[in-house]
Amino acid sequence: GQNIDQPTEMTATEGAIVQINCTYQTSGFNGLFWYQQHAGEAPTFLSYNVLDGLEEKGRFSSFLSRSKGYSYLLLKELQMKDSASYLCAVRDGDYKLSFGAGTTVTVRA
Amino acid sequence: ETGVTQTPRHLVMGMTNKKSLKCEQHLGHNAMYWYKQSAKKPLELMFVYNFKEQTENNSVPSRFSPECPNSSHLFLHLHTLQPEDSALYLCASSQVLASGSDEQFFGPGTRLTVL
Repeated sequence: GQNIDQPTEMTATEGAIVQINCTYQTSGFNGLFWYQQHAGEAPTFLSYNVLDGLEEKGRFSSFLSRSKGYSYLLLKELQMKDSASYLCAVRDGDYKLSFGAGTTVTVRA
Repeated sequence: ETGVTQTPRHLVMGMTNKKSLKCEQHLGHNAMYWYKQSAKKPLELMFVYNFKEQTENNSVPSRFSPECPNSSHLFLHLHTLQPEDSALYLCASSQVLASGSDEQFFGPGTRLTVL
């Protein structure tokens, strides 16, 4: 089966940096996705990594190491609106995604 | 309408009722998905339709019955549900390419409560 682990909760201060780690053990690998989900809303796509290295997109960056089965999402210059759940998902074939349970990030003033 | 829409947004039903959830995508995608999201648990993939053909059924109980009449519409028919089926049901769509699928776009979900 698929095993995707991420911390349950994280708290950080406005303006700070937070790093959300994700480790995975899956039967196959064809890319890793990060989604953001605000309470009561749909998950929205943040980033995609299929090759090792860092992908930067504004205040958000995502890193992947396939040999270690490891990824992280880095949120910089935290804002109150970044308070949400962050979902790590691994694609193990053409389109099927397996999700972690999500990390709830709380940003404090 | 843009993106992925779902109706109803909230549904309360008894265990003997029959109801249907509807999903519509306006993105021209060729694959659609049903997920179940329970509190503190990972999103669980239930069904996948690729070019209107069901390609995935993750051991979902038969009281959940999907229907995909065309590439833009997806239904989830519900009958004789159990209280543990109460959850947020999310629909998603994506474009499946030769190299794999682009990211999935999610609808707002239907919050289902089974009494």
